[in-house]
Amino acid sequence: GQQLNQSPQSMFIQEGEDVSMNCTSSSIFNTWLWYKQDPGEGPVLLIALYKAGELTSNGRLTAQFGITRKDSFLNISASIPSDVGIYFCAGPSGESGGATNKLIFGTGTLLAVQP
Amino acid sequence: GAVVSQHPSRVICKSGTSVKIECRSLDFQATTMFWYRQFPKQSLMLMATSNEGSKATYEQGVEKDKFLINHASLTLSTLTVTSAHPEDSSFYICSAVKRRNTIYFGEGSWLTVV
Repeated sequence: GQQLNQSPQSMFIQEGEDVSMNCTSSSIFNTWLWYKQDPGEGPVLLIALYKAGELTSNGRLTAQFGITRKDSFLNISASIPSDVGIYFCAGPSGESGGATNKLIFGTGTLLAVQP
Repeated sequence: GAVVSQHPSRVICKSGTSVKIECRSLDFQATTMFWYRQFPKQSLMLMATSNEGSKATYEQGVEKDKFLINHASLTLSTLTVTSAHPEDSSFYICSAVKRRNTIYFGEGSWLTVV
């Protein structure tokens, strides 16, 4: 079945550093979504990507939909302590042509930012 | 602000009892909502798809008689954990489709069964 592999699993960085994480799939996705989850809370949508090659920014966050449609990356520039959390990539399941919006989640990247 | 709201955020119940968790879309109608379960340090696991006006679709391995889902209106889906056991203790999260494959999540509900 479809799987999303995220890397790295975790990152420990200093405040002010830039961060990059990526998500790869063995199959094609039509949409890539990036979420951040704080402990004990639901995931919050950061960026949504709908087209291969698309590059989208949201403040200090930038994400790109890979040309092959099998990967995506998320960059965070000038990290701050509140960036701490788990970042998940997600994409709609290939079942029913992706029309059901059932999401498959990546394995997550834990980000820790030291002030 | 939040576009999908869950209630309660935390609940403790006794083993053998049932507990209901609500998921509401706040400023949009959602014909489809999803229920997830998340264990500590793990990713979200899809339990079922909640369809307004029809039966929910459950993922393989999820007991439909134990996790009852009702999507009675376009803004509300409920998950009832029946005859709860300690192993049902988990973080339950719902999501709703707002538009174009854009999905928003609720704040999550911590269930502890004692």
